[in-house]
Amino acid sequence: GAVVSQHPSRVICKSGTSVKIECRSLDFQATTMFWYRQFPKQSLMLMATSNEGSKATYEQGVEKDKFLINHASLTLSTLTVTSAHPEDSSFYICSARVPVTDTQYFGPGTRLTVL
Amino acid sequence: QKEVEQNSGPLSVPEGAIASLNCTYSDRGSQSFFWYRQYSGKSPELIMSIYSNGDKEDGRFTAQLNKASQYVSLLIRDSQPSDSATYLCAPSGGSYIPTFGRGTSLIVHP
Repeated sequence: GAVVSQHPSRVICKSGTSVKIECRSLDFQATTMFWYRQFPKQSLMLMATSNEGSKATYEQGVEKDKFLINHASLTLSTLTVTSAHPEDSSFYICSARVPVTDTQYFGPGTRLTVL
Repeated sequence: QKEVEQNSGPLSVPEGAIASLNCTYSDRGSQSFFWYRQYSGKSPELIMSIYSNGDKEDGRFTAQLNKASQYVSLLIRDSQPSDSATYLCAPSGGSYIPTFGRGTSLIVHP
């Protein structure tokens, strides 16, 4: 299957700082990538849809100024959590959709802890 | 949006048994379906895809799709404790935006 990578896998930061998470499709070009957040024992929550070359589409209730998404190339999307606070601590997972088959592959996730 | 319904479980089966996971969906326009497995603390991984009515087998896994009845299922034969995870079904096609429910929690006990 296709491979999606995320970096970093784990990050600990101080409250008020910004954190950037990278999502890469390694062996295919993804015009569409998705960003999810998952709290313990809860379901995946879609945060936004990232389209290459255009602005991301955010789900209701997700602050676009706090969660900045950039999809500058067909293989890279980034999520920046700005002015992070402890309540932003979560498991952030990206996915990329393979064109034609519409198959969605997930990255391994990034565990963010904000102190 | 393409809504799906799954029994959240947990579904508990003994080792070696067949685990049957079911998913119903509301959008008759859904063209393809995917099953994902998510272990606790990990991201989902794709285990099966099915595009047409009928059965599709891959090792111990069989996906079944019935578009007329709008359901898709996943059978796991010879269940192993390592199969214990949450299973998510997801339809796809076109501009579908993939959202997920809680999935079905499967517990395979020795």
